[in-house]
Amino acid sequence: QSALTQPRSVSGSPGQSVTISCTGTSSDVGGYNYVSWYQQHPGKAPKLMIYDVSKRPSGVPDRFSGSKSGNTASLTISGLQAEDEADYYCCSYTGSSWAFGGGTELTVL
Amino acid sequence: EVQLVESGGGLVQPGGSLRLSCAASGFTFSSYWMNWVRRAPGKGLEWVANIKEDGSEKYYVDSVKGRFTISRDNAKDSLYLQMNSLRAEDTAVYYCARGMFDSWGQGTLVTVSS
Repeated sequence: QSALTQPRSVSGSPGQSVTISCTGTSSDVGGYNYVSWYQQHPGKAPKLMIYDVSKRPSGVPDRFSGSKSGNTASLTISGLQAEDEADYYCCSYTGSSWAFGGGTELTVL
Repeated sequence: EVQLVESGGGLVQPGGSLRLSCAASGFTFSSYWMNWVRRAPGKGLEWVANIKEDGSEKYYVDSVKGRFTISRDNAKDSLYLQMNSLRAEDTAVYYCARGMFDSWGQGTLVTVSS
């Protein structure tokens, strides 16, 4: 039950695009299409942004997109906005449990 | 509107026990797997446990096996986490989350310290 690997931090200017990676193994990210992404602002509950690798829940802007290649999933945020500044977590099914990534702090410069 | 409200957190000494509750509303509680997820200070999210719709299957992260017990009462639309033999490393905000984590509560803080 190891955590998935994410970069500690990423940054970008308003209007730019950033991509956050999430690396696992063939037993989690690579083995299932149950990868999801969460946004968490300080003191708030996590919010689902992407599920099943690339699906967006109702209400999530289409600036947020997800993809997967092999054992690595990615979240791309295009047209960065100030309100996107938050922590982002990936999550994957592992066959009998769930694993989250260590989290990535996104700074909008 | 889906609502999940956790309660029961607080300060407890190492080796002590605590029972967390999560009150659900706005959806058919008995139709969903439910989870507990925690976030320790300065760390990331960690899945703790989940329970099947009817309570017949339960799964735990290795670090809490034998110490924590997840349960539910579908008649009361409530999820529980009984935490025994608490350790300092269990200090965290504990969230309940529905199904495949599509809805979350605001969390309840558990602090294990002497």
